[in-house]
Amino acid sequence: GAVVSQHPSWVICKSGTSVKIECRSLDFQATTMFWYRQFPKQSLMLMATSNEGSKATYEQGVEKDKFLINHASLTLSTLTVTSAHPEDSSFYICSARRPEGEGGWYEQYFGPGTRLTVT
Amino acid sequence: AQSVTQLDSQVPVFEEAPVELRCNYSSSVSVYLFWYVQYPNQGLQLLLKYLSGSTLVKGINGFEAEFNKSQTSFHLRKPSVHISDTAEYFCAVSDRGGGFKTIFGAGTRLFVKA
Repeated sequence: GAVVSQHPSWVICKSGTSVKIECRSLDFQATTMFWYRQFPKQSLMLMATSNEGSKATYEQGVEKDKFLINHASLTLSTLTVTSAHPEDSSFYICSARRPEGEGGWYEQYFGPGTRLTVT
Repeated sequence: AQSVTQLDSQVPVFEEAPVELRCNYSSSVSVYLFWYVQYPNQGLQLLLKYLSGSTLVKGINGFEAEFNKSQTSFHLRKPSVHISDTAEYFCAVSDRGGGFKTIFGAGTRLFVKA
């Protein structure tokens, strides 16, 4: 199988502070990782696509300076929410994809999500 | 650009009854189609996928879906549901090129009643 972990699973932080969320592919190398945001009872909204060793591609309307994404290795991508505010409270989910051409490369493997609450 | 429309936000159904969750998509390029299930406070689990070939695809937990190119639909079906199927179901479409961006539908809440 292909397992993706996220850490932490939930985090509470104070307004104005920054918080980092890690996404790891545990048993495969992920050249591409995706970050999604999900509001209660809503769908997943793609925030950005990150490729190992290059800058992330952000979706329209997503603030690059607020949501910093780093994909430093083939198994780790991080999302840092800078100067968090209550409106940033949400469920953040990452997914990872194998390199194109490998078996199952078309499939995204999702992490369990991180619940962020900003007080 | 792609879009995905899930026509029903909620589907209540009695246990052991059949169910169909509807999904329509639009895209200017060839796509892959997926159905995912999400249980509360969890990530997404792949139910099934359509890549090419046979238009009827079978997935896990007894679910199946049929790709209809002319109607641009990919409806999910199960002949007999269980209480444990209660969850949120998302239809998704990925373009076959250009970064493989995936767009999700708004989701359908399947509620199975005893």
